[in-house]
Amino acid sequence: GAVVSQHPSRVICKSGTSVKIECRSLDFQATTMFWYRQFPKQSLMLMATSNEGSKATYEQGVEKDKFLINHASLTLSTLTVTSAHPEDSSFYICSARTGSQPQHFGDGTRLSIL
Amino acid sequence: RKEVEQDPGPFNVPEGATVAFNCTYSNSASQSFFWYRQDCRKEPKLLMSVYSSGNEDGRFTAQLNRASQYISLLIRDSKLSDSATYLCVSSTSGTYKYIFGTGTRLKVLA
Repeated sequence: GAVVSQHPSRVICKSGTSVKIECRSLDFQATTMFWYRQFPKQSLMLMATSNEGSKATYEQGVEKDKFLINHASLTLSTLTVTSAHPEDSSFYICSARTGSQPQHFGDGTRLSIL
Repeated sequence: RKEVEQDPGPFNVPEGATVAFNCTYSNSASQSFFWYRQDCRKEPKLLMSVYSSGNEDGRFTAQLNRASQYISLLIRDSKLSDSATYLCVSSTSGTYKYIFGTGTRLKVLA
């Protein structure tokens, strides 16, 4: 089946640090990649939709200058959390899709800001 | 009102039991529906797509009722390994964006 790899799986860093998370589709070219955030005991919330070669589309309430998304190729998208603060601590998950297929999710990045 | 609503549970059932979850959606433009399974502190994994005519995959059966705007998932002969959170997802044609329910937690007890 489709495989999506996300790296790193766990990040612990100090407040004010910028953190980059990579999402790769390993065995297919992803038309679109999505970035989600999940707080404890809550559902996944879509942050942004990323298409290769174009600017990401952010959901309402998500700061585009805070969460920088780069979609350099059909197999790679990156999310950079700039100047992270404790309230940014969360589980960040990417997904990728192609054609009419369902989204396949990366294994997530658990971000803890001290 | 949330766009996709689920009973959060938990549903505690004995091994071998049959359990059903319902999910309602409010956006009548929703076209595609899915059930995902999420284990604690892990990513969601696709369990099954939901088709208008209903579909079955082994012990799992999904149904869609467009008139009433709800989706169901039936699990027969529950296994301990079925313990997880089950996420109901809707998607609108053309955007491919997913709207997740908050999930229903299932615990299968020995």
